[in-house]
Amino acid sequence: KAGVTQTPRYLIKTRGQQVTLSCSPISGHRSVSWYQQTPGQGLQFLFEYFSETQRNKGNFPGRFSGRQFSNSRSEMNVSTLELGDSALYLCASSWTGNEQFFGPGTRLTVL
Amino acid sequence: TQLLEQSPQFLSIQEGENLTVYCNSSSVFSSLQWYRQEPGEGPVLLVTVVTGGEVKKLKRLTFQFGDARKDSSLHITAAQPGDTGLYLCAGADDSGAGSYQLTFGKGTKLSVIP
Repeated sequence: KAGVTQTPRYLIKTRGQQVTLSCSPISGHRSVSWYQQTPGQGLQFLFEYFSETQRNKGNFPGRFSGRQFSNSRSEMNVSTLELGDSALYLCASSWTGNEQFFGPGTRLTVL
Repeated sequence: TQLLEQSPQFLSIQEGENLTVYCNSSSVFSSLQWYRQEPGEGPVLLVTVVTGGEVKKLKRLTFQFGDARKDSSLHITAAQPGDTGLYLCAGADDSGAGSYQLTFGKGTKLSVIP
């Protein structure tokens, strides 16, 4: 069974730009969660989607948004990038919602 | 806001030694998970513990969930260089309607020196 895939793996943007990251979950998994990982804050929950609906949301500004498609693939978007948005963005998929399986992440660098 | 405190933050040991990593919280979680993450990769799920007092063994790794479901420990026996990585604990909180939000500790960075 293929694991969670994320594209792109690396991304360099400048302040003020916007970015879209993509995640393909494990086949059959309908829940997709997004996390931001930084050295200072660790892993922080962004949001969770289930059957194309946002089911849960973390404490991040509205510049962070996401969506899920009918095939469970998900995208997250960050608008008006700030230097502090530089991080590893991780996507995780789940069948039950409890045990989550992570992709390799997208390393975003904002210059 | 639920918080998970992991200790120690860093651990450097010789191959063959034993070690224990701790994960503590003031909140009760419906379950607790341990992950290992290697540089440039996503976390890999090692185990999920659900019942207070539960002990699970995975080869040389022993995981324990506290009786009150607020804390957990990971014990590694005879550590090997392949055990090197960032160990993360995560508490799962049932937010309702089947949605689980994971709260992660900041991790323990383990280096096993050959």
